Amino acid sequence: NAGVTQTPKFRVLKTGQSMTLLCAQDMNHEYMYWYRQDPGMGLRLIHYSVGEGTTAKGEVPDGYNVSRLKKQNFLLGLESAAPSQTSVYFCASSWDTYNEQFFGPGTRLTVL
Amino acid sequence: EDQVTQSPEALRLQEGESSSLNCSYTVSGLRGLFWYRQDPGKGPEFLFTLYSAGEEKEKERLKATLTKKESFLHITAPKPEDSATYLCAVAGGSEKLVFGKGTKLTVNP
Repeated sequence: NAGVTQTPKFRVLKTGQSMTLLCAQDMNHEYMYWYRQDPGMGLRLIHYSVGEGTTAKGEVPDGYNVSRLKKQNFLLGLESAAPSQTSVYFCASSWDTYNEQFFGPGTRLTVL
Repeated sequence: EDQVTQSPEALRLQEGESSSLNCSYTVSGLRGLFWYRQDPGKGPEFLFTLYSAGEEKEKERLKATLTKKESFLHITAPKPEDSATYLCAVAGGSEKLVFGKGTKLTVNP
């Protein structure tokens, strides 16, 4: 099993460009999450999904959109990137809130 | 609002010098407390889940304990390979985990 995979691993964008980060999991988990991690701020939840076709806002959702068209995939979109979105993005999945989350390896995004 | 505070922010130990990391939490109805390890440039790796006060779990040199207000991660005779950032998170009444900012542990040989 690959677990949770993220694509791409690194990306550099210019301000105003758009991009999509892809997360895939092969554990048949219902719940999926997108976090960002910044120095001194810890992990902050951007959006999450409790099942195929569902999405919900987390702690820092502004500037991001998500879609969960298939159970195994969770996409994070940036429509117009800003330097404040420079961060490391982690995807995670779990059976539910009360079981451990499995994390992907992360995507390092720089917005110039 | 659920909150998690980890202390210290950073901890330096000599190899073999045992110590503990603290995770204090406030949550409306604890459904689970999680410990993760994160190595530089990698995603967090799950270590333990604790569900009720008094519960303890062990894995190699690590032992996690839980009270009604805090959790401790005890590290016995640490080795340099235990160097990492350790994250604590709680699950309460919402569908989301709340993470602390982590403790960066450095174990010198």
